[in-house]
Order: sequence, then structure tokens, then C-alpha cells
Amino acid sequence: KNEVEQSPQNLTAQEGEFITINCSYSVGISALHWLQQHPGGGIVSLFMLSSGKKKHGRLIATINIQEKHSSLHITASHPRDSAVYICAVRSRNYGQNFVFGPGTRLSVLP
Amino acid sequence: DTEVTQTPKHLVMGMTNKKSLKCEQHMGHRAMYWYKQKAKKPPELMFVYSYEKLSINESVPSRFSPECPNSSLLNLHLHALQPEDSALYLCASSQIGTFGYTFGSGTRLTVV
Repeated sequence: KNEVEQSPQNLTAQEGEFITINCSYSVGISALHWLQQHPGGGIVSLFMLSSGKKKHGRLIATINIQEKHSSLHITASHPRDSAVYICAVRSRNYGQNFVFGPGTRLSVLP
Repeated sequence: DTEVTQTPKHLVMGMTNKKSLKCEQHMGHRAMYWYKQKAKKPPELMFVYSYEKLSINESVPSRFSPECPNSSLLNLHLHALQPEDSALYLCASSQIGTFGYTFGSGTRLTVV
């Protein structure tokens, strides 16, 4: 069992749809990051969470520390949102280095 | 400046070549990282430098040799690579004691 799991693995949506990507983890964490990676590209950090909820533009990220669960929501999705979204946690168990989830591949169709 | 800059963006090298990847940041971050990412997989940690000293080497083969000449610069020297070393190499930096993290855009390496 991986320490960080994501669902779904792949997601296809129509432009304008509301999208939710889920992340669950099994270790105690110092912080949880949501990362975005476009095909062949580098990684952009979208959010860093240790509690509660954060919002940036059309993106919202929430975390429930007790349930060890986080969600990334995209409102009014757009084809430019097509990317791989990676949940990654930092934990003292791993020397504060990242433990990455497998990623969710999102395609938003026009 | 809030970026991590990696050069070159693309590199093709033969198995007998010697080449270097470069990573630079001017955010005052004192921890810098090299990751290797194969297609459709999450990144794998290779090396961590803290205060310009190597603190983590994740059992990386010696054909990869990291160097941190100063607090802003991180190099990865490559020698006698194999085709299976072809991957995206990502650099990242962070401020020690905080959880913010910045990734570079990566170098796409192809070994022929």
C-alpha cells in the first residue's frame, strides 16, 4: 500500500465542469502539497496545506487532518487545466522530503 | 526572483559523453534537490543539499555526480550514462525549516 494515494487516476471532463481530485495518506504529515505538471513540463506548486482550506482563482484545496484526506477542486474547468495533478506530503517519517502520490491525469475537452 | 532556472531544457548525449545539468535560484533557499522523473511516474528523489553540503544520496549510481558550488547553484555532472537514464531531471529548492517548495521546469535528457 502506497503512503499517498489519489483518485481518480484518470479524469476526462467537459469544459465548464466542476472537478474534484482526492488524496489520502497514511503517515503523519507536516504539510501537504498539490502540484501541477503539464505534459513534458516542470512542476508548479499550487497549494501547500497543513490545515483547513485555501483558494486561488478557480482552484480550491481542502485538508482534513483527522481523516488524512485532501481534495483539490477546480471550478469552471478549462482545457488549459489539462495536466497531471500530484498530491505530495512532507513527513518527519521521511526526513521532511516529499512522498508523492501517483498523480491524476486530467483532460478537459472543449 | 521566485524561480528555479534549469539549463539546458533538452539534452541528447551519447553513452561516452560527459555533460552537466545546471540549476540556479536566487530566493535565498538553502536546501536544493535533484529529482529524476520517468514518463507517467512521480518524481524520485536523487540528492539533497543542505547549506551546500550533500545530506541525502538516495543510492544513486556514481555516473551521476552532484555539486553545489555555492548557495545559488546546483550542478549534476553526467558521465557514461545508459539509455535507461533518459528521463526528466527536475531541480527544486526550499527554505530550511519551512515547507514552501519551488520546482524548476526540468531538463529532458535523452541518452543514445
